[in-house]
Amino acid sequence: AQKVTQAQTEISVVEKEDVTLDCVYETRDTTYYLFWYKQPPSGELVFLIRRNSFDEQNEISGRYSWNFQKSTSSFNFTITASQVVDSAVYFCALSDPPQGGSEKLVFGKGTKLTVNP
Amino acid sequence: DTEVTQTPKHLVMGMTNKKSLKCEQHMGHRAMYWYKQKAKKPPELMFVYSYEKLSINESVPSRFSPECPNSSLLNLHLHALQPEDSALYLCASSQVVWEGYEQYFGPGTRLTVT
Repeated sequence: AQKVTQAQTEISVVEKEDVTLDCVYETRDTTYYLFWYKQPPSGELVFLIRRNSFDEQNEISGRYSWNFQKSTSSFNFTITASQVVDSAVYFCALSDPPQGGSEKLVFGKGTKLTVNP
Repeated sequence: DTEVTQTPKHLVMGMTNKKSLKCEQHMGHRAMYWYKQKAKKPPELMFVYSYEKLSINESVPSRFSPECPNSSLLNLHLHALQPEDSALYLCASSQVVWEGYEQYFGPGTRLTVT
């Protein structure tokens, strides 16, 4: 069965610090997709990134970077020079191949990041 | 534009009331989803619609009744809810129902059942 583990429940940093959010996943499928979502206090889940299982290239988008390692089944997310606006709950999610043509996202429990000024 | 809108933002209802949540997207997506999220928990999938047809019902109680009138609209009809149904209800959409497509979420409706 698919499973996503975000071991860090809460993280607190001071502005401008770098912070890494860990995500470890389990799946028996060779084809799968991994996602990161941000949920600020307002409630809306904001899509950040998608990565497929055949593409292990790391990605950088501004202050955000992602490290995908199939060997350790991890898809970690780093925020460089954190800002107060980065304060949110971050969810890592896994999507398995369709079952009868339907898709399901398996979410981790989330990591609450607080960036203090 | 990757916007999914939801109305109302907040809803308070009694256990005997009937109310509806509305979700709308204009991205041409053909898959739409309802999620329920309790405080400090990840979203839980409730329903999936694919090309306006219900494709997944995650054993949701019948007091929740989804409806997809057209490819842009998704409703969730509520009747005889219980206090434990109080939660954030999120709508999402994706291009089609396929594992590779990201889902875009709306801001949610915060529901309180009294």
